[in-house]
Amino acid sequence: DSGVTQTPKHLITATGQRVTLRCSPRSGDLSVYWYQQSLDQGLQFLIQYYNGEERAKGNILERFSAQQFPDLHSELNLSSLELGDSALYFCASSVAIAASGATDTQYFGPGTRLTVL
Amino acid sequence: AQRVTQPEKLLSVFKGAPVELKCNYSYSGSPELFWYVQYSRQRLQLLLRHISRESIKGFTADLNKGETSFHLKKPFAQEEDSAMYYCALSGRGTSYGKLTFGQGTILTVHP
Repeated sequence: DSGVTQTPKHLITATGQRVTLRCSPRSGDLSVYWYQQSLDQGLQFLIQYYNGEERAKGNILERFSAQQFPDLHSELNLSSLELGDSALYFCASSVAIAASGATDTQYFGPGTRLTVL
Repeated sequence: AQRVTQPEKLLSVFKGAPVELKCNYSYSGSPELFWYVQYSRQRLQLLLRHISRESIKGFTADLNKGETSFHLKKPFAQEEDSAMYYCALSGRGTSYGKLTFGQGTILTVHP
């Protein structure tokens, strides 16, 4: 167990709806990352937060948004859902963003499986 | 742009046979390379990273900058090695910390 928790484990919803996925990082980790894993696109980086601030953006759709709260947990909001948004959404955390030196190891949560019907 | 390519989607070997999972990358600069493993119904776990140069569960990987490769090797595969393996790259600068993953290779080790 990496210590990263994600809720819910499974989510089934309809097209056009909005959902919120939640992630709690490991104790002491300041950075949170969101990834999407789908059959056709593989594992893709969506967005990164560090200590409450957005630090990097990947292939994240405009319909998706995220934030990191003062207690360092993070939420990924997905709106106007489409069938193609069905995927496994992973959160990962690391200690920090290193200004220099080695990349911090990212620890992954168990994922939230989103099914859009 | 950074890219990771794992040319084999599926790889099957017999128990005790050597196994090599291929990974090639594209990055202008000095990347950091990782191998992550995902066992059935479990979360991604870091298997190893090139800077630590360690061997985990008998797996090793050497970064070959000339060939831009980071192949994962194990001399004698075990059934419990069956899993999905992802090669990943982290760059520096504004993309620092973000991981770019390959498409993954499903390794099946037959008894």
